[in-house]
Amino acid sequence: DARVTQTPRHKVTEMGQEVTMRCQPILGHNTVFWYRQTMMQGLELLAYFRNRAPLDDSGMPKDRFSAEMPDATLATLKIQPSEPRDSAVYFCASGLSPGQGDTEAFFGQGTRLTVV
Amino acid sequence: AQSVTQLDSHVSVSEGTPVLLRCNYSSSYSPSLFWYVQHPNKGLQLLLKYTSAATLVKGINGFEAEFKKSETSFHLTKPSAHMSDAAEYFCVVSGQRGSQGNLIFGKGTKLSVKP
Repeated sequence: DARVTQTPRHKVTEMGQEVTMRCQPILGHNTVFWYRQTMMQGLELLAYFRNRAPLDDSGMPKDRFSAEMPDATLATLKIQPSEPRDSAVYFCASGLSPGQGDTEAFFGQGTRLTVV
Repeated sequence: AQSVTQLDSHVSVSEGTPVLLRCNYSSSYSPSLFWYVQHPNKGLQLLLKYTSAATLVKGINGFEAEFKKSETSFHLTKPSAHMSDAAEYFCVVSGQRGSQGNLIFGKGTKLSVKP
């Protein structure tokens, strides 16, 4: 049963600490998305990668957020230093690029981040 | 530029009555369109998708949606609501031109189902 796996599922951290969220996309998918969900803003696209290269990270605050794909099986989203306003649920999703198959994204269960 | 508008932030129906969740899109070319569902404290699950094949698309759990190009709409319907349908529903548009393929989410419609 192929699925997107995110770790950790929950994270509580103190303001100023570094937070790293990990995502294992579905094997064979070449597109990875990071979304943030809050009550106020809904679902916001932070960044997405195609074949491990960042295609769009304009939704991400560059001063504290960074996203990488060290290899095809791992995507990371890092916040340093974290702030209370970063508290949200962070979703990773993976899919295939247009022309390579259906373009829907498959979502992980999310990482619920609380910064106190 | 592409965009998607979900016309209702909250819809309330009684169990056994029809469900209609409205979505309008804007795209300069033929889009792919999706509906996702999110149950409380869960991830997002694909309900159905339109990718330029049949305009009436059937999804899981008895939901369906009709792509109407003339109205730029992709409304989600279900003939008879069930209590388990209570969730938030997102209409999504995806570009197919060029190298882009990011998903644009609507603001979501929260569906409540009364007994």
